[in-house]
This record gives sequence, structure tokens and C-alpha cells, in this order.
Amino acid sequence: GNSVTQMEGPVTLSEEAFLTINCTYTATGYPSLFWYVQYPGEGLQLLLKATKADDKGSNKGFEATYRKETTSFHLEKGSVQVSDSAVYFCALSNAGGTSYGKLTFGQGTILTVHP
Amino acid sequence: NAGVTQTPKFQVLKTGQSMTLQCAQDMNHEYMSWYRQDPGMGLRLIHYSVGAGITDQGEVPNGYNVSRSTTEDFPLRLLSAAPSQTSVYFCASSTTPGGWQETQYFGPGTRLLVL
Repeated sequence: GNSVTQMEGPVTLSEEAFLTINCTYTATGYPSLFWYVQYPGEGLQLLLKATKADDKGSNKGFEATYRKETTSFHLEKGSVQVSDSAVYFCALSNAGGTSYGKLTFGQGTILTVHP
Repeated sequence: NAGVTQTPKFQVLKTGQSMTLQCAQDMNHEYMSWYRQDPGMGLRLIHYSVGAGITDQGEVPNGYNVSRSTTEDFPLRLLSAAPSQTSVYFCASSTTPGGWQETQYFGPGTRLLVL
């Protein structure tokens, strides 16, 4: 079946530091990959996505590249801000078999950015 | 557009009580789903629906019922609440039933405490 593994958190950084949150996945076929973000007290919202190998998703200074050879979709940002403090979820969706259209999530990584 | 709305925001139940978590969307989305979020476990799919009158089980369906009589509404029923159902519940929707590349839109969540 499908599975997503994220790096253990929490992650604590100073403002303007470089961020990497690792994500690897297991899936059959050609899944779509997503990063969702959850700000305190809110629901999840899409941060970025990639739907085929070598695609790069980007939004709000965040980037992630779909690497099929390493089954990874690591999230990066060059300079984080306090407002980036949130929980970040890596997820995949697969067109195949019984997984059709459903999201499989990683466990989430808590990011705290200090001034 | 209000997007995806959920009520109530917070609920306390006693073991054995029943209740319905409401979810509605005004985007004319065919696909709707319910997830529960537990610490360190990401989000897990409870039930989903690919259109009015069609529902199916997700990863953790036991103790929950759903129905989909209209495109807009997708209520989740707890039949006999148990402390293990203490969680945060999120409803989500997307445009196409098999839209494995589609963004899912999440509601703000319902926090449930079962004593």
C-alpha cells in the first residue's frame, strides 16, 4: 500500500535560516505528491504539489522536487520567517487500485521559527 | 464562497453518547472525505464519497457512519462514542472523484473530546 514518511520533528530555527523537511514515499504507479500546511488553530491548506517525476512545486518561497529515483519530495525554503511556524504534512494521492483519489499523509513536522 | 464549513468547532461527549459532525461545501465538489488527526500519526481517512448517494470506507471506519444525500453535505455520525475517538476531525472536498492530482480543500476542523 501507500505510505509517507517525514523527518521527525519538531524543527526549531531562527528567522532567515534555511529549511529542509525530508519526505519519502512508497507507492505503486505514478502518484501525485503534495505538501499541506496547517497554521495554528486552522485546517490544512495546500502549499504546493507536483504531479509527475522531476516536477518542481513552488509557492511562498517553498520548493519541492518530485524525485522518482529516490522516492522523495523534500520541502525547502531558503530563508524562513516567523510566520512560517506551522505543521507541515507531506502527502500522496494515487490513481491506482483501491487508493484511487485518496490522500495518504505523513505524520507531520512541527516547525517553529524564532525571531 | 464559504468553502468547506464544519460544525461544531468543539464538542465534549460522554462514553456511549452519539453525535453528528456536520460538513458542508459550496464549491459543487463531487469528492468529499473525513479524516481524523491524532498526534504523531498525521491524518487518517475515515470515510469518503465520490458523489451523492455513494460512500465507501477509508482506513479507520469502525465506529463511524456516513451518508451523502446531497452534493453539498457529508455528515459523520459517531454511533456510540469511545475515548479512542478523541481526536480532531477534518472534512475535505475536491472537484473530481478520481482526481488524484487535485487539490483537496479542508474545513477548519472539529475538536472532539470523549470522556
